[in-house]
Amino acid sequence: NAGVTQTPKFQVLKTGQSMTLQCAQDMNHNSMYWYRQDPGMGLRLIYYSASEGTTDKGEVPNGYNVSRLNKREFSLRLESAAPSQTSVYFCASSGSFNEKLFFGSGTQLSVL
Amino acid sequence: LAKTTQPISMDSYEGQEVNITCSHNNIATNDYITWYQQFPSQGPRFIIQGYKTKVTNEVASLFIPADRKSSTLSLPRVSLSDTAVYYCLVGAPDSNYQLIWGAGTKLIIKP
Repeated sequence: NAGVTQTPKFQVLKTGQSMTLQCAQDMNHNSMYWYRQDPGMGLRLIYYSASEGTTDKGEVPNGYNVSRLNKREFSLRLESAAPSQTSVYFCASSGSFNEKLFFGSGTQLSVL
Repeated sequence: LAKTTQPISMDSYEGQEVNITCSHNNIATNDYITWYQQFPSQGPRFIIQGYKTKVTNEVASLFIPADRKSSTLSLPRVSLSDTAVYYCLVGAPDSNYQLIWGAGTKLIIKP
């Protein structure tokens, strides 16, 4: 049982490049989330998806877009990467908004 | 949204009981208290959740006083593998998307 799988694990980009972070869960969860975590800080919510077909902005959505491709997959896209987007990105899922979160192992992204 | 205050760091020794206290003075009537654990290079993992009094599971206990303005996560007989960051979160049911994650408490267990 893989849980929440994120790819890639590491990525280095140059300023202005674009990329998509992939996330998939195999727990039949309805809700999915993208967070970023900066050194020594807690997680900040970028976007979330309550259910297949819906997405909403979180606390720090600027510079990002998301796609809920189907119930299993939720991708995060950086259209034009900036050094301020250097961070560790975590995808999470939950059965619903009032159930515990399950996290992936993260993507370490560096933007030079 | 209630915010929480936790110690930045704590040290303890293997075999000891560790108590991490979280302050949430502005907790709302319908808010629950949830704790997550995060190891280096991993995503957080759910530990325990409670509303009032005491909750116990196979890894921890959560003590919540009657006024609910604070809570204490208790880890019995810790080992080196309990070294991690522990996050206290407060939020209403059905509000995962509104949870505010602080910096957590970095717990270091020494041999």
